[in-house]
Amino acid sequence: GAVVSQHPSRVICKSGTSVKIECRSLDFQATTMFWYRQFPKKSLMLMATSNEGSKATYEQGVEKDKFLINHASLTLSTLTVTSAHPEDSSFYICSAKGANHYEQYFGPGTRLTVT
Amino acid sequence: KQEVTQIPAALSVPEGENLVLNCSFTDSAIYNLQWFRQDPGKGLTSLLLIQSSQREQTSGRLNASLDKSSGRSTLYIAASQPGDSATYLCAVPNSNSGYALNFGKGTSLLVTP
Repeated sequence: GAVVSQHPSRVICKSGTSVKIECRSLDFQATTMFWYRQFPKKSLMLMATSNEGSKATYEQGVEKDKFLINHASLTLSTLTVTSAHPEDSSFYICSAKGANHYEQYFGPGTRLTVT
Repeated sequence: KQEVTQIPAALSVPEGENLVLNCSFTDSAIYNLQWFRQDPGKGLTSLLLIQSSQREQTSGRLNASLDKSSGRSTLYIAASQPGDSATYLCAVPNSNSGYALNFGKGTSLLVTP
């Protein structure tokens, strides 16, 4: 199956700093990438949808100026958490989908801890 | 808005038992339904994907069924093993958000030796 990687797998940062998370599709062209967030013992919630070369579409309640998403190529999307706060601590998972495919392929996730 | 519900929220069974996990969804106009496994602190492992035209899919000891008209899917695990202990999530694509997945809250399964 298709492979999606995320980097870093874990990151600890101080309040007020920014953190960038990368999501890469390794063996296919991802026309669409999705970013999800999962709080402890909760399910995955969609944060935003990004299409290559376009601005991301954010779900209601997700601040676009705080969670910056860039999808500049068909194999890479980045999520930058700006001015991080402890409440941003969560598990962030990306997924990628190629054109004409309904199935998504998930990355292994990034554990963000803000101190 | 599509709502996905999973029952039970948690399940504990002795090793060797067969078990069924349930998933229901409110909007039957789905393209497919997918079952995932998630181990604590880890990402998702795709188990089975059922297209809307299919009734079931099988992979090893796992069998997933889909009844679109009633908005239900089941995941059947045969001869459970301690290594099956994990959270099982079902999800359906949301056409309003580029086919992002709507997830249920999951069933936390514990298989005891």
